[in-house]
Amino acid sequence: QKEVEQDPGPLSVPEGAIVSLNCTYSNSAFQYFMWYRQYSRKGPELLMYTYSSGNKEDGRFTAQVDKSSKYISLFIRDSQPSDSATYLCAMSPYSGGYQKVTFGTGTKLQVIP
Amino acid sequence: DAGVTQSPTHLIKTRGQQVTLRCSPKSGHDTVSWYQQALGQGPQFIFQYYEEEERQRGNFPDRFSGHQFPNYSSELNVNALLLGDSALYLCASSPRDKIQETQYFGPGTRLLVL
Repeated sequence: QKEVEQDPGPLSVPEGAIVSLNCTYSNSAFQYFMWYRQYSRKGPELLMYTYSSGNKEDGRFTAQVDKSSKYISLFIRDSQPSDSATYLCAMSPYSGGYQKVTFGTGTKLQVIP
Repeated sequence: DAGVTQSPTHLIKTRGQQVTLRCSPKSGHDTVSWYQQALGQGPQFIFQYYEEEERQRGNFPDRFSGHQFPNYSSELNVNALLLGDSALYLCASSPRDKIQETQYFGPGTRLLVL
């Protein structure tokens, strides 16, 4: 069983829709939860991070963490064609100064104009 | 600031050969992590360097080794290449203790092993 599970999609939505992206995990030691966006033929770009449980909002993006269910989500409001990319969830334990980051497989999102 | 830079951008090798990939971190970052990303998969953590020492390692064989220089730049070496080593190799940099908040990735080196 993988430590982090993520539906690979693809997910296709019309412009303006609310997008929900999700990951589940099995390692209870994970404390930090991150979402990255990766455009084709580019490196991943950090969108948001949260520590432990709770919600965090940044513009059109909202990240949610439910540690009791080992489930994290990223919501994108008013989706735009420029949001078309692969979205990767990532997690790490807190281990002092050196942290190994574990990624999901990524969900490919297409926003249709 | 050029961000994280990697070289070369593309590389073709044959089985059994050795390869060296290079990475320059973003200005002000002292920690470098390397990842392997196979097609259709998420990045897999190879190892992390800080103060010229390997600090964390993922589930990769000893054929994968690295080095960090005093200017924080880093190299990834892969010996005895296998077909399965074909992937995008990503370098990421961050300040120590801030990897979750400020990890920046380079564009990657695409390695093809024939």
